[in-house]
Amino acid sequence: DTAVSQTPKYLVTQMGNDKSIKCEQNLGHDTMYWYKQDSKKFLKIMFSYNNKELIINETVPNRFSPKSPDKAHLNLHINSLELGDSAVYFCASSQRLSYNEQFFGPGTRLTVL
Amino acid sequence: AQSVTQLGSHVSVSEGALVLLRCNYSSSVPPYLFWYVQYPNQGLQLLLKYTSAATLVKGINGFEAEFKKSETSFHLTKPSAHMSDAAEYFCAVSDDNNNDMRFGAGTRLTVKP
Repeated sequence: DTAVSQTPKYLVTQMGNDKSIKCEQNLGHDTMYWYKQDSKKFLKIMFSYNNKELIINETVPNRFSPKSPDKAHLNLHINSLELGDSAVYFCASSQRLSYNEQFFGPGTRLTVL
Repeated sequence: AQSVTQLGSHVSVSEGALVLLRCNYSSSVPPYLFWYVQYPNQGLQLLLKYTSAATLVKGINGFEAEFKKSETSFHLTKPSAHMSDAAEYFCAVSDDNNNDMRFGAGTRLTVKP
């Protein structure tokens, strides 16, 4: 019973391509997140959605576009991939109260060649 | 905005030795504090959290952390390190003014036989 799942686990693609990463949670949470973790393990929040509405949109290139079709899903679409986009992307979910912990997916390792 | 600083990007201990991972926070209102662990090629898992109840918080795998308001600290400890504790550890903070969670840069724990 996977709580937060992501697909694919690995993604290798060429510069300039467009790709999507999917995320689903079965915890009944109302808030979902996307994080980017670079090669030095630094974890940076990219987006946050609460009940399908965008809450947080950090300084992220507009090539990155999140889509939340429903509360249980938050997908990340990336246009015109660049070398610097290579990283591990994590999806997470929580109930939207500040004392609630976030539950993380296993990550998607994106490599742009 | 709230933030955390983790002192030491890399900590190395011998098996059986005390583990001490340092975290200092900054928040204009009472914080909620979290420690997460990330094993290689996996997502983040919650170790423990402080939500203004007891200042000494016990978590999984024998870890605990003490909230010290006077020192704005939330250091993570374990009396006796095990080889399986080798991982990346992240401190995180949120508060009632900012529902989003902010992560520290992480500390890599190495356990030597």
